[in-house]
Amino acid sequence: TQLLEQSPQFLSIQEGENLTVYCNSSSVFSSLQWYRQEPGEGPVLLVTVVTGGEVKKLKRLTFQFGDARKDSSLHITAAQPGDTGLYLCAGAKAAGNKLTFGGGTRVLVKP
Amino acid sequence: NAGVTQTPKFQVLKTGQSMTLQCAQDMNHEYMSWYRQDPGMGLRLIHYSVGAGITDQGEVPNGYNVSRSTTEDFPLRLLSAAPSQTSVYFCASSPNYSFFSGNTIYFGEGSWLTVV
Repeated sequence: TQLLEQSPQFLSIQEGENLTVYCNSSSVFSSLQWYRQEPGEGPVLLVTVVTGGEVKKLKRLTFQFGDARKDSSLHITAAQPGDTGLYLCAGAKAAGNKLTFGGGTRVLVKP
Repeated sequence: NAGVTQTPKFQVLKTGQSMTLQCAQDMNHEYMSWYRQDPGMGLRLIHYSVGAGITDQGEVPNGYNVSRSTTEDFPLRLLSAAPSQTSVYFCASSPNYSFFSGNTIYFGEGSWLTVV
C-alpha cells in the first residue's frame, strides 16, 4: 500500500478537453510537489505547494493543496498533446528528510 | 549544464553478478538519493545521503549498498543481482534535505537495468 495514492492511473483524452488528477493520503504532509516525466527522462518539478488550501497556477495547469494537507489535485485546462506524460505527486513530512512518491498518472492527449 | 549524470544508461546483468551504478552532480548539493521506478509504483526510495560520509536507508534498501565519500558522487552497488532488481534507477540531488521549504530535486536521466 502506497502512502500517496494517485487516481486515475491512466487518462486518455482529446485535445482541448479538461482533466483532473488526484493525489490522496491518510497522512499529513508539510509540502507536496508535482512532477511530469516524459519517456526516457527523469521527472521534472512542476510546482510545490506548502500551505493548506493553497492554489497555484502554471499557465493551463492549476494545482491545489487540500485544507488538511492530506491531498492535492492537478487540473489541466484545454489539454494539448504536449501535456502527454506521467504525472507524479510527491510529499514530504515536516520532521523527515525523504520525499515519498505516488504511483503516477499516465496522461495521453490525442490530437 | 551537467546537472545529475548517471552511468551506464543501459545494462544487462546475469543473476548473481554485481555492479555499480554511478551518479555524479556538479551543483554542490548536500542531498543525494537513489530511486527505482517500476510500472504503476511511482518512484521508491532505495538509499539517500544528507552529506558526505552520511547515508541512510529508504523504503527498499535490501540488495543495495551506497557510499558518499565526496559531495559530488553517490554510487549505488548491487551486491548480487536478482531478476526482481530489473528496473529503471534514478539518481537525484537537491541543495539540502529540507523538503518542508519546497526544496527542488533534480533527477538524472535514469539507468535501465535488466537482470536475466
